[in-house]
Amino acid sequence: DGGITQSPKYLFRKEGQNVTLSCEQNLNHDAMYWYRQDPGQGLRLIYYSQIVNDFQKGDIAEGYSVSREKKESFPLTVTSAQKNPTAFYLCASTNRGSTEAFFGQGTRLTVV
Amino acid sequence: DQQVKQNSPSLSVQEGRISILNCDYTNSMFDYFLWYKKYPAEGPTFLISISSIKDKNEDGRFTVFLNKSAKHLSLHIVPSQPGDSAVYFCAASANAGGTSYGKLTFGQGTILTVHP
Repeated sequence: DGGITQSPKYLFRKEGQNVTLSCEQNLNHDAMYWYRQDPGQGLRLIYYSQIVNDFQKGDIAEGYSVSREKKESFPLTVTSAQKNPTAFYLCASTNRGSTEAFFGQGTRLTVV
Repeated sequence: DQQVKQNSPSLSVQEGRISILNCDYTNSMFDYFLWYKKYPAEGPTFLISISSIKDKNEDGRFTVFLNKSAKHLSLHIVPSQPGDSAVYFCAASANAGGTSYGKLTFGQGTILTVHP
């Protein structure tokens, strides 16, 4: 079955450590996205990539970094510069010319 | 600046009745609107969408209405079922199909509870 896989589902890290969240898709979609969800808030865009080796900042990119070396993979690194990293992180993808985004199951990151 | 707003944090409805979820937006560049359904600790799943050239789109029990002059859209679920209980997010996109495709701005979500 085609889809988006995020791993791990739950992640705990100590404050000050960088952590990388995995996102893989086998939908052959061109574009991939990272969103963050906080309680009582909608999803906010962190970074997005429309083609391999290219990516753009979203609305809340500070403290995050990404790479897009392969079409099917778009990992997100939460750096120690991110002030409030504890959140639910969602990866999504879309096909060229489509606005309907398909989402992964999410990774809940807790920084202690 | 919240460009997409869902002003009702929660909605409670009896099974079989109509559920109406509302969404307002401020950015006149938005030309495509989507509704997503989300269960706790899961990713959102796409429900239904509407282009700004239409004022209504229907898919089974789900209908989305768009009022461009009021910058308002609503999702109607008829009849409501207990399995519809979830968080519903409204989302909007500018320049759909162009360079901004898939780049969505979300509302805060409305928790729908359908009682048996």
